[in-house]
Amino acid sequence: QKEVEQDPGPLSVPEGAIVSLNCTYSNSAFQYFMWYRQYSRKGPELLMYTYSSGNKEDGRFTAQVDKSSKYISLFIRDSQPSDSATYLCATLGMWGAQKLVFGQGTRLTINP
Amino acid sequence: DAGVTQSPTHLIKTRGQQVTLRCSPKSGHDTVSWYQQALGQGPQFIFQYYEEEERQRGNFPDRFSGHQFPNYSSELNVNALLLGDSALYLCASSSHPIGDNEKLFFGSGTQLSVL
Repeated sequence: QKEVEQDPGPLSVPEGAIVSLNCTYSNSAFQYFMWYRQYSRKGPELLMYTYSSGNKEDGRFTAQVDKSSKYISLFIRDSQPSDSATYLCATLGMWGAQKLVFGQGTRLTINP
Repeated sequence: DAGVTQSPTHLIKTRGQQVTLRCSPKSGHDTVSWYQQALGQGPQFIFQYYEEEERQRGNFPDRFSGHQFPNYSSELNVNALLLGDSALYLCASSSHPIGDNEKLFFGSGTQLSVL
């Protein structure tokens, strides 16, 4: 079983739609949770960073962590064609662990 | 403020050859991590360098080695290249240690093709 599971998609939605991206993880020791956006032939760009459970909002993006079910979500409101990219969820273990564990990435296309 | 810079951007090698990839961390960062991203997959952790020493290592063979210089820049070396080493190699920098307020920032990567 992979430590972080993510549906690779692809996912295609119309402009303006609400997008929901999800990951599950297996290790309850994971404490930090991140979402990265990766455009084609580019490195991942940090979008959202949360610690433990709860919600975090930044503009059109909301990250949600449910540690009881080991479930991570990213919501994108009013989606734009420029949001078309691969979205990667990632986790980091307890203090001192320096290795990010990534999901496979979900390829998202927003159609004008 | 320059972000994480990597060179070269693309590289083509043949099986059995050796390759060196280079990385300069973001200004103010002292820690460099290397990741391998195969096509259609998420990045996989290779190793991390801090204070010129390898601090943590992922599940990669000894053919993968690295170095960190006093100015915090880093090199990734891969010996005896295999076809399966073809991937995007990402360098990420941070302030040590990652966690709480310290986050990981990635460069654009080096695309390595092994023929």
